[in-house]
Amino acid sequence: SQKIEQNSEALNIQEGKTATLTCNYTNYSPAYLQWYRQDPGRGPVFLLLIRENEKEKRKERLKVTFDTTLKQSLFHITASQPADSATYLCAPRRSGGYQKVTFGTGTKLQVIP
Amino acid sequence: NAGVTQTPKFQVLKTGQSMTLQCAQDMNHNSMYWYRQDPGMGLRLIYYSASEGTTDKGEVPNGYNVSRLNKREFSLRLESAAPSQTSVYFCASSETGQPTDTQYFGPGTRLTVL
Repeated sequence: SQKIEQNSEALNIQEGKTATLTCNYTNYSPAYLQWYRQDPGRGPVFLLLIRENEKEKRKERLKVTFDTTLKQSLFHITASQPADSATYLCAPRRSGGYQKVTFGTGTKLQVIP
Repeated sequence: NAGVTQTPKFQVLKTGQSMTLQCAQDMNHNSMYWYRQDPGMGLRLIYYSASEGTTDKGEVPNGYNVSRLNKREFSLRLESAAPSQTSVYFCASSETGQPTDTQYFGPGTRLTVL
């Protein structure tokens, strides 16, 4: 069955360092992959979309890679700040509309001052 | 623009009681979604509405019903609540329902079933 895996353990990182979060998927061939941020007590907020033909996408301090051979996406936050502390969710998407498999379980990032 | 709004924010029910969670969006989006979020399980899709007048089951539809009342509103009904339905419920909308769409989420409803 299709599976989306994110590291369920929290990631603690020192302020100023680069945080790297992983999203692995199995039995699945997504054409797109989205990343969302979720703060405690709030709904997720969209951050970035990367397509299968884009190896890398950047937005300010955020960088996402998409390796369809490894079936993996990496999400990087450079020069991390305490305000980056949140849970980050990945959402692989096949082409062609509605899919039942939606979001990964998320990785909680804590940036320590 | 309020975006996606949900009511109520919190609710406590007894086993067997019924309730309806309300969701509305003001972005003129065609597609709307209901998710539940549980610790360690992530967001799971309950029901989906591609457009006004259509609804489809998601990953975990048992025990729920939905109504797409009009383009703006999508409600989720629990006919006979069970403790296993204790969760945080999120409504979301997107412009077309295509996989490249951004999903916009509401603030969530925290439901406890005793």
